Amino acid sequence: DADVTQTPRNRITKTGKRIMLECSQTKGHDRMYWYRQDPGLGLRLIYYSFDVKDINKGEISDGYSVSRQAQAKFSLSLESAIPNQTALYFCATSLGLDYGYTFGSGTRLTVV
Amino acid sequence: QKEVEQNSGPLSVPEGAIASLNCTYSDRGSQSFFWYRQYSGKSPELIMSIYSNGDKEDGRFTAQLNKASQYVSLLIRDSQPSDSATYLCAANLGGGATNKLIFGTGTLLAVQP
Repeated sequence: DADVTQTPRNRITKTGKRIMLECSQTKGHDRMYWYRQDPGLGLRLIYYSFDVKDINKGEISDGYSVSRQAQAKFSLSLESAIPNQTALYFCATSLGLDYGYTFGSGTRLTVV
Repeated sequence: QKEVEQNSGPLSVPEGAIASLNCTYSDRGSQSFFWYRQYSGKSPELIMSIYSNGDKEDGRFTAQLNKASQYVSLLIRDSQPSDSATYLCAANLGGGATNKLIFGTGTLLAVQP
């Protein structure tokens, strides 16, 4: 089983719909992150969390919300999806400062 | 100025050659640097980390860090077609205050058989 699991892998949704992307991990890491990746723009940080009670906005949090349900689970929600939220979304976890990230396999989201 | 900058490429090298990938960063307080490899449609995979000035070697990969000049590079020796991917440079900007990585936009490497 993968260390960091994202569901769904692919999703097509309509403008205005609410959608949740889920991430779970078995690595025991406290730090979890949500990034989106767009061609030419690279990976951009949406939200991050250092523990269940600690949630922080990243550089592009508008239009998104998150929930850290447990140490192992970190969900990203799009309250009212819009087409420019079409992107590849990655969840990542980290043990700490010097260890880098472990990424999930990604969710390809298309908003039509 | 972007916080972490990379040439988008594509960088094309013949099989067996050395591929040299470069990255510059804006924050002199940055302490940790990482190279990720990403195949098309897949997730980034960590291949090298470096924290001190100088070179760090792991197999065919060598990471180089020069904090005075604020650049990081990755050398891939004996390049193989399977090395064809996008290489992402990442830095832990802000030093010890946070643990969030800022990524460059990546350099596409194409190794020609």
